[in-house]
Amino acid sequence: EPEVTQTPSHQVTQMGQEVILRCVPISNHLYFYWYRQILGQKVEFLVSFYNNEISEKSEIFDDQFSVERPDGSNFTLKIRSTKLEDSAMYFCASRTGLAEYTGELFFGEGSRLTVL
Amino acid sequence: ELKVEQNPLFLSMQEGKNYTIYCNYSTTSDRLYWYRQDPGKSLESLFVLLSNGAVKQEGRLMASLDTKARLSTLHITAAVHDLSATYFCAVDVNFGNEKLTFGTGTRLTIIP
Repeated sequence: EPEVTQTPSHQVTQMGQEVILRCVPISNHLYFYWYRQILGQKVEFLVSFYNNEISEKSEIFDDQFSVERPDGSNFTLKIRSTKLEDSAMYFCASRTGLAEYTGELFFGEGSRLTVL
Repeated sequence: ELKVEQNPLFLSMQEGKNYTIYCNYSTTSDRLYWYRQDPGKSLESLFVLLSNGAVKQEGRLMASLDTKARLSTLHITAAVHDLSATYFCAVDVNFGNEKLTFGTGTRLTIIP
């Protein structure tokens, strides 16, 4: 069964460092998302991406964050200068185009980011 | 601002019993999603409810949506240990957007 894959599964970084989290969405999917979950808390929307541009972003997604689809398969989230409060599990998700869409988002296994 | 509230936050129940998790939301929407999350794992889609009165069932789980009351329920029938997990409901107000607002989650523990 096709799945969304994310790397790394866990990254530890020092405050102020840049981090890139990588995602390979399901191959025929057109819409891509990043969500995050701070430990023990609910899942929060960060950004949605379609047709090589951001569709919508939340207040959390400030200038320190950026997303990119550098080639036909990868979808990346970059945090330019990490803060302690960026420590969280980051989930990538993808879905099909509207013609086939049933409402289901497919989530990856997540990348746990720890900022020291 | 859309608010999504679940209750209870924690639920410990014996195998074989029935129980219901409630999800209330504050803004008109006819799209509600239920996800399951095992500890340290990803979110597994359980149900997608796309209209008022929608009811879906899979095994021992049944989800329903009442858009007038802005309420969804996840009913567990004859619980088994394998159902122990955290269950999240999520709402979005613009179909095709998937800017999902998640509830706080209900941590379900099934005791043998």
